This record gives sequence, structure tokens and C-alpha cells, in this order.
Amino acid sequence: AQSVTQPDIHITVSEGASLELRCNYSYGATPYLFWYVQSPGQGLQLLLKYFSGDTLVQGIKGFEAEFKRSQSSFNLRKPSVHWSDAAEYFCAVGAGTYKYIFGTGTRLKVLA
Amino acid sequence: DADVTQTPRNRITKTGKRIMLECSQTKGHDRMYWYRQDPGLGLRLIYYSFDVKDINKGEISDGYSVSRQAQAKFSLSLESAIPNQTALYFCATSPRKGSHEQYFGPGTRLTVT
Repeated sequence: AQSVTQPDIHITVSEGASLELRCNYSYGATPYLFWYVQSPGQGLQLLLKYFSGDTLVQGIKGFEAEFKRSQSSFNLRKPSVHWSDAAEYFCAVGAGTYKYIFGTGTRLKVLA
Repeated sequence: DADVTQTPRNRITKTGKRIMLECSQTKGHDRMYWYRQDPGLGLRLIYYSFDVKDINKGEISDGYSVSRQAQAKFSLSLESAIPNQTALYFCATSPRKGSHEQYFGPGTRLTVT
């Protein structure tokens, strides 16, 4: 069955520390992969996407993600977290031409 | 101005009432979607529409209906609201061709008492 797993419900990091949010997927074909961020009271904003080509993709706000086919993973990283990065992060798989499968989200807390 | 707008942003209603949530977009996209978000469950697809005459059920369509009044407008209705429909509702759009990324509205927080 198609699925997306974000194993960490909550993550807390100190400002300036590095960040990695995990995402694993189960999908038969080569997926389209996305990371979205949801700030409190806001909608979802696309951080980055992977369709094909270079497996390391750069996104907005200094985020990057790496697609690893062998591990069925698409982990999100940032070298130095800012307090404004506190939000909820969702990984999604594009399963076909319209359907998204979302992970359950990881809530990031940033300590000053 | 926002590309995808939703009205209302917040709504409290009583069990059994009919309620409509509206979504408008200025992105010129053909495809529109309605999701609900519940804590710990991520986003789940309620309905989607590829164009004005093409509307399809998503994974959790029971208790909901939709109307695509125009390319730019897609409304979600709860004919008889129940408390377990309390959730955050998102509208999204995507282009017919090219990238598959979806663009989300700001959400409507619905509470059914």
C-alpha cells in the first residue's frame, strides 16, 4: 500500500543547530516528492520538490532534501535553524497525476 | 493578494446545520482539491475536480458534497454537520500539466458543536 511515514512527531532543536526531518515512503513507481511547511494559523507552503534528476534538491528558506531510492527516503535538512523555522512540516508523495499522500507531520520547536 | 482564498476562515456551527466553505483561486489552474486536516492524521483528500465538469470523490467523501461553479471556484458543503467533522479544511489547486505541486489556501477552521 502507498504510504508516507514521518517517524518523528515532535523535534526540538536549539537555534543555530542543524536539523534533519525524516520521511520514508512506500510507492511502487518513482514518486514525486514534496516537503511543505505549515506555520501556526497558516496554510501549507511548498519548501521543495523532487521530480527527477539530481537527488539533492534545494528549496526556499535554506532547506534542502535528498532523495535516496535505496532507502525510500526523502529527508529534509537545514544546516542552521532559525527561530522562525518553528512550524509543522509535512512530507508528501505525488501518487499519480493528482493524488497526494501526506505524512502525519513533524512539529518543530526551536529553543532560543 | 493571495492566489488561493478560503471563506470563512473560522466557523462555529451546530450539529445538523448545513454549512458551505468556499474556495477561490486566481492562479488559472484547472485542478482543485478539498482536504481536511486532523491532528496526528495529516491531510486527507475529500474531493477533487479536474475541471468544471469533472468532480471526483477522494478518500473521505462521506458526509460532504462539492460544487465547481467556475474554473476559479470550488465549494465544499456539509449537508448536516456532525461533531466529528470538526477539523481544519484546506483548498488546493494545481495546473493540468507540468508540475504536480499543489498550492494551498490558508484554511478554514470549522467547529461543530
